[in-house]
Amino acid sequence: SAVISQKPSRDICQRGTSLTIQCQVDSQVTMMFWYRQQPGQSLTLIATANQGSEATYESGFVIDKFPISRPNLTFSTLTVSNMSPEDSSIYLCSVSGQGKETQYFGPGTRLLVL
Amino acid sequence: AQSVTQPDIHITVSEGASLELRCNYSYGATPYLFWYVQSPGQGLQLLLKYFSGDTLVQGIKGFEAEFKRSQSSFNLRKPSVHWSDAAEYFCAVGVMDGGSQGNLIFGKGTKLSVKP
Repeated sequence: SAVISQKPSRDICQRGTSLTIQCQVDSQVTMMFWYRQQPGQSLTLIATANQGSEATYESGFVIDKFPISRPNLTFSTLTVSNMSPEDSSIYLCSVSGQGKETQYFGPGTRLLVL
Repeated sequence: AQSVTQPDIHITVSEGASLELRCNYSYGATPYLFWYVQSPGQGLQLLLKYFSGDTLVQGIKGFEAEFKRSQSSFNLRKPSVHWSDAAEYFCAVGVMDGGSQGNLIFGKGTKLSVKP
């Protein structure tokens, strides 16, 4: 399985600011995903980060709020824009290979918005 | 629509006792099924997966799961629980068709506590 790292591991931010989360993989992967895990909740997919094209967002998530970049096959960023306390969550990236079936997760970024 | 139900929010078992965590899914085609574990302050670790073939699958850390199509279930089991197994366990189904190909639909999770 791929080794996935995320930066930062945690952060405390003020409302109205933006935070960019980085996801780095140690090998080239076909698909990268961004999930949100709100306190005490399960994981919800935000978007699929496609290399060389626009990200595909799930219902309820929009590009203006969660812009995503995927400049190559080993790296992606998720920005949480104009944050409010409701954005306090764990944000996780995951990757899958050509088979697409199995996803491996990074350690997550724990975000607290005051 | 696809969905995953984990009916038990919190389970407490004694160390050394057996464990079964329940998972039911709703999916129109043959499902890809997964169990992940999340220890406190950690990301998700893949325990095991089922795609096809033998309906009893073995995973890491001594866990196994059985796919029962007739019951739309994929329950996770371990014969003897260790204190280090205390964590939250998530069942997920993989969406392998349509526009959301590759998406995972997660259950709400079951928190496992282990008594000494």
